[in-house]
Amino acid sequence: DIQMTQSPPVLSASVGDRVTLSCKASQNINKYLNWYQQKLGEAPKLLIYNTNNLQTGIPSRFSGSGSGTDFTLSINGVELEDLSIYYCQQGNSLPFTFGSGTKLEIK
Amino acid sequence: QVQLKETGPDLVQLTQTLSITCTVSGFSLTTYNVHWVRQPPGKGLEWMGAMWNGGGTDYNSAFKSRLSISRDTSKSQVFLKMNSLQTDDTAKYFCARQGIAAYFDYWGQGVMVTVSS
Repeated sequence: DIQMTQSPPVLSASVGDRVTLSCKASQNINKYLNWYQQKLGEAPKLLIYNTNNLQTGIPSRFSGSGSGTDFTLSINGVELEDLSIYYCQQGNSLPFTFGSGTKLEIK
Repeated sequence: QVQLKETGPDLVQLTQTLSITCTVSGFSLTTYNVHWVRQPPGKGLEWMGAMWNGGGTDYNSAFKSRLSISRDTSKSQVFLKMNSLQTDDTAKYFCARQGIAAYFDYWGQGVMVTVSS
């Protein structure tokens, strides 16, 4: 199985900051990396698919980059509503696997 | 619009069988794949298995032979059945639609299942 490692586990940011979340795969997953946002008590919401494609309706302050094994999610201008846990997920091969998440805290 | 909704028990006894139904609307099960993902309290997401649009299935080997996924296309329903439940199967169980590639673009709200002794 492909292991997904996210860092940092917790990220503290102020409103307006630019933040970068990291996701590393244990082997090459090409471009098949997706990002989800999960707010407390809710289902995950798709933010970015296939590394850098913004899902419909997601604000343009979210962006993704990377390839192979190293990927990042950036939020350019954090807002209060971004308080969430962010998960990456590889879609390159079964079983699909998720990272352990990065919790974004707002200072 | 696309919707998925899970229905199932809140509580299941140790060693018993869990059955959850995912009822979908706004799309066809013969066009889109539907997956099951679970999340223990305070923990991360775990992919359990898939019902492919052609009717086949795939499972996470972590569940060995305990897990079964099936569907009724006439009712737009996908079913999860897992036996020999243990306390570490306590989790919120989600069904999710797969998009064009291997991502999950729509999710149900999930059903929280507690395994009790």
